[in-house]
Amino acid sequence: KTQVEQSPQSLVVRQGENCVLQCNYSVTPDNHLRWFKQDTGKGLVSLTVLVHENDKTSNGRYSATLDKDAKHSTLHITATLLDDTATYICVVGDRGSALGRLHFGAGTQLIVIP
Amino acid sequence: DMKVTQMPRYLIKRMGENVLLECGQDMSHETMYWYRQDPGLGLQLIYISYDVDSNSEGDIPKGYRVSRKKREHFSLILDSAKTNQTSVYFCASSHRGDNQAPLFGEGTRLSVL
Repeated sequence: KTQVEQSPQSLVVRQGENCVLQCNYSVTPDNHLRWFKQDTGKGLVSLTVLVHENDKTSNGRYSATLDKDAKHSTLHITATLLDDTATYICVVGDRGSALGRLHFGAGTQLIVIP
Repeated sequence: DMKVTQMPRYLIKRMGENVLLECGQDMSHETMYWYRQDPGLGLQLIYISYDVDSNSEGDIPKGYRVSRKKREHFSLILDSAKTNQTSVYFCASSHRGDNQAPLFGEGTRLSVL
């Protein structure tokens, strides 16, 4: 049973354009949500973490929002660069889980073209 | 330099052979993880380790076992590998705590023929 759904599955944008990636989840309870970037053939690198209801974060050209009531998060990438080409993965952590359980989405594959 | 190192990066084995995947970290993180990543699926947790000799099964432990004899080192063992264990395996580590960001290795791509 998939508890973290990401959309779109893939996305192609031109360099300089903005894009928005979506994450919907059913994980309960939900402690925090984290966005990762995964370059092809590499490991996952954390971009940002959201913890509280209606949290908003910003990390350079990356910004993210979290709506815990709707169990929904967005990742905005502004003025995309060719190096933004990667898979972006949404991960939700259980609240108070003794196992520190993380629930991973399948990712959105972003391709930035010149 | 904070880093999780996985060895080997690429491995080809025949069905029935034993496989050893190794993972090291230099940050004295208590918690370490083994995941597998398959196309179209999110990462799936195989095993989690909370410290030396303190390991727990994840969501898909069948066919795998782990060993953690030193805090900085966590091994994944496949006894008699199967073709459906062909995958990319990721090791990660983190300090204790719900919101601690895990640091990932670059993965081991395993093919079982």
